[in-house]
Amino acid sequence: DTGVSQDPRHKITKRGQNVTFRCDPISEHNRLYWYRQTLGQGPEFLTYFQNEAQLEKSRLLSDRFSAERPKGSFSTLEIQRTEQGDSAMYLCASSLWVSGELFFGEGSRLTVL
Amino acid sequence: TQLLEQSPQFLSIQEGENLTVYCNSSSVFSSLQWYRQEPGEGPVLLVTVVTGGEVKKLKRLTFQFGDARKDSSLHITAAQPGDTGLYLCAGAGFGNEKLTFGTGTRLTIIP
Repeated sequence: DTGVSQDPRHKITKRGQNVTFRCDPISEHNRLYWYRQTLGQGPEFLTYFQNEAQLEKSRLLSDRFSAERPKGSFSTLEIQRTEQGDSAMYLCASSLWVSGELFFGEGSRLTVL
Repeated sequence: TQLLEQSPQFLSIQEGENLTVYCNSSSVFSSLQWYRQEPGEGPVLLVTVVTGGEVKKLKRLTFQFGDARKDSSLHITAAQPGDTGLYLCAGAGFGNEKLTFGTGTRLTIIP
């Protein structure tokens, strides 16, 4: 296994458009996390899954954000009606057990013009 | 909300010097992890500390978990340019399965 992969690595979009990011975790990891990171800051928790169940979603996450993990494998994060404030790096991570090491992907950088 | 404040936010020192980075919170954590992140990459785990007062060493890096499990420190001896990066602490709550990351310390080692 080559680790956590994310696609696309970079996305430039106009305000108001929808964007979708995909994350493929390490195959045997049943926990998958989405974080958002702005330049020079620590990652901010968005949501996490155990298998296909979405167990927690940040209260800071607006209704424009939705995440899915069908069949407990890959996950998608969709942002509807993007705003300039959504510009950030979106990081996906997976782990094998509770509070275990997070293995991060290289991130998907979103720029909203 | 569990907040982790790191200090300093930025640190730039000469190669060979020693430094300490701090991670503080008013919350108690079941465990605390330290990650290093390089530009264009995701964070990579350096260490996990679980027991209050625990000290772990990773070559020139020494990590300590506070007795009350509310704070942690990272000490680097004889810093090298390869130590340059964004250092992040992350705490796990009790019965809370997500990691809360700190504000980050951007370290630059000048050759």
